Amino acid sequence: QSALTQPRSVSGSPGQSVAISCTGTSSDVGSYNFVSWYQQHPGKAPKLMIYDVSVRPSGVPDRFSGSKSGNTASLTISGLQAEDEADYYCCSYAGSQSWVFGGGTKLTVL
Amino acid sequence: EVQLVESGGGLVQPGGSLRLSCAASGFTFRNHWMYWVRQAPGKGLVWVSRIKTDGSFTSYADSVKGRFTVSRDNARNTLYLQMDSLRDEDTAVYYCARDYASIPDYWGQGTLVIVSS
Repeated sequence: QSALTQPRSVSGSPGQSVAISCTGTSSDVGSYNFVSWYQQHPGKAPKLMIYDVSVRPSGVPDRFSGSKSGNTASLTISGLQAEDEADYYCCSYAGSQSWVFGGGTKLTVL
Repeated sequence: EVQLVESGGGLVQPGGSLRLSCAASGFTFRNHWMYWVRQAPGKGLVWVSRIKTDGSFTSYADSVKGRFTVSRDNARNTLYLQMDSLRDEDTAVYYCARDYASIPDYWGQGTLVIVSS
C-alpha cells in the first residue's frame, strides 16, 4: 500500500493550463479505472473533482479534466483561476478492498 | 444536502483508546458504503477503512488492522471508528466519507486525534 507518486508542487499563471501527474503501479492505477481527484483548501475537507479517471461530478467546472495512460493518471486544469490554488490528491482502488492516495500536490497560482 | 459530522477526537495517551463517530444526514445512509480517511498534520490523505452498507463487510489499511474497528448503526445514521492501542503515528485529522461508485465522494470536516504522553 505505497502512496501514489505526485509532484510536490506545480504552478501557473491565471489563464494558463497545468497538469498534475499521479503515478502508481500495475496493481492500482494501471489495473482499475477507479481513479479520483480531490481538491483541498487549507483547513477544509477534500472535495471530489474527478472520478472514474475522467468524469466530473455535477458542479465541477469543465476546466478540470482527467485522463490515464498505463500506470499514470493526470489532472489538467485549464484557464487557471486564483481560487484553484489548493492541494490536489489522486486516489486509486488498489485491489483487495483497499484504496491508496497520492502524496498530494500544492498548486500555486502565480 | 449531504452532511457528515465527525466527533469524538481529542488527546489520548499512547496505548489508549478512542471512539470516533460520524453523523450522516441528507442522504439514505443505509444505501452507501462508508470510509474513514486520515491526514497527519501537514501530510497527505491516507485511506484507513471501509464498511459495507449493512456492516457485514469491512476492510482496513495494514497500518491499523487489528487495532481499529469500523462499525455503523443504520438506525441512527451513524458511522463509528473504534481505535485501540493508539500510537504516536495515529495522530491525524480523521475524516469520514461517503462511497459513490467505489470512491469517496462527500467528506466531513474531520475530527483531530492527538496521541501523545
